[in-house]
Amino acid sequence: GNSVTQMEGPVTLSEEAFLTINCTYTATGYPSLFWYVQYPGEGLQLLLKATKADDKGSNKGFEATYRKETTSFHLEKGSVQVSDSAVYFCALTDLKETSGSRLTFGEGTQLTVNP
Amino acid sequence: DGGITQSPKYLFRKEGQNVTLSCEQNLNHDAMYWYRQDPGQGLRLIYYSQIVNDFQKGDIAEGYSVSREKKESFPLTVTSAQKNPTAFYLCASSPRTYYEQYFGPGTRLTVT
Repeated sequence: GNSVTQMEGPVTLSEEAFLTINCTYTATGYPSLFWYVQYPGEGLQLLLKATKADDKGSNKGFEATYRKETTSFHLEKGSVQVSDSAVYFCALTDLKETSGSRLTFGEGTQLTVNP
Repeated sequence: DGGITQSPKYLFRKEGQNVTLSCEQNLNHDAMYWYRQDPGQGLRLIYYSQIVNDFQKGDIAEGYSVSREKKESFPLTVTSAQKNPTAFYLCASSPRTYYEQYFGPGTRLTVT
């Protein structure tokens, strides 16, 4: 079956530091990959996505590249801000999954950015 | 403004009572989903629906029920059979089955 593994948190950084949150996946077909962000007490917001190998998703300074050879989709940002403090979820949906539509989520990584 | 609304934001119930959580979307999306989130954990799929009058069980459907009588509405009932119902419940929708999902703000249910 499908699975997503994220680096364990929590991650604590100082403002303007470089961020990497690792995400690797296992999928039987040709997945689309997503990063979602959840601020305290809120629902999830789609941050970025990539639908095929070598695609780069980007939004609000965050980037992630779909690497089929390493089955990875690591999230990066060059300079984090305090407002980036949130929980980040990596997820996939498999275009060939026949059991129905679903997103498979990682466990989430809590990021705290200190001023 | 298009979006997904969940109400109420906070809900309190006594043990043994059924409770229904509301989810409405005006995005004209075909598919809708219910997830449960426990503290410090990822999301687990309860039920999903790809079209009106049809829905499928997710990974943790026991103790829950849903209906999909209208395209824009997908209410979730947490029954007294759910052994540990206190959690944060998230509703989502997507335009097609394998597209990205868009989430509502969530309902935090506390059962005592």
